[in-house]
Amino acid sequence: DAKTTQPTSMDCAEGRAANLPCNHSTISGNEYVYWYRQIHSQGPQYIIHGLKNNETNEMASLIITEDRKSSTLILPHATLRDTAVYYCIVRGTGTASKLTFGTGTRLQVTL
Amino acid sequence: EAGVVQSPRYKIIEKKQPVAFWCNPISGHNTLYWYLQNLGQGPELLIRYENEEAVDDSQLPKDRFSAERLKGVDSTLKIQPAELGDSAVYLCASSPVGLTETQYFGPGTRLLVL
Repeated sequence: DAKTTQPTSMDCAEGRAANLPCNHSTISGNEYVYWYRQIHSQGPQYIIHGLKNNETNEMASLIITEDRKSSTLILPHATLRDTAVYYCIVRGTGTASKLTFGTGTRLQVTL
Repeated sequence: EAGVVQSPRYKIIEKKQPVAFWCNPISGHNTLYWYLQNLGQGPELLIRYENEEAVDDSQLPKDRFSAERLKGVDSTLKIQPAELGDSAVYLCASSPVGLTETQYFGPGTRLLVL
């Protein structure tokens, strides 16, 4: 599975949009981009995933560039409860498709 | 719907003692995973079960770690004997069908080995 690069940490004011970038320049055509987050003392929580089209659900939006070498997770109106470590994961299909977590981005939402 | 249940949530033991962690996956989920998470790091896969069969245990340190999933539902992860370096969070996850489905994680068991 392709490797991802994320900033170590980011800050965001409550009520503003949080835009979390992820680089995955070696992604291959059949690999998906997944986002999970981990709130302190909890297990990782699935947020969203996509292949090439932009995706939106009740939690977030995922914007994938046309060349698929990078993506951005958008939390449209961040709240204090969104403070967490956010993991961007590139994942294939079939028996090789493990979830390989990096160190993620620590998002701190402040008042 | 109940999520993945793990127990205990916290465990403190002395080195060389055995320890066991229990996981009850989401009902109907055939695939079960055990992950290890060291402080400041992302989770790392230890073992994956499809029903009662361990289909990927390549990252499980088999000299001291063992796991079982009898009847393809609950699972137990054991360490014997525990070492200081085993202090970490042990996470269980489940997914409905195979690897490409979304994984749902439990809260984890935080182990401290003294």
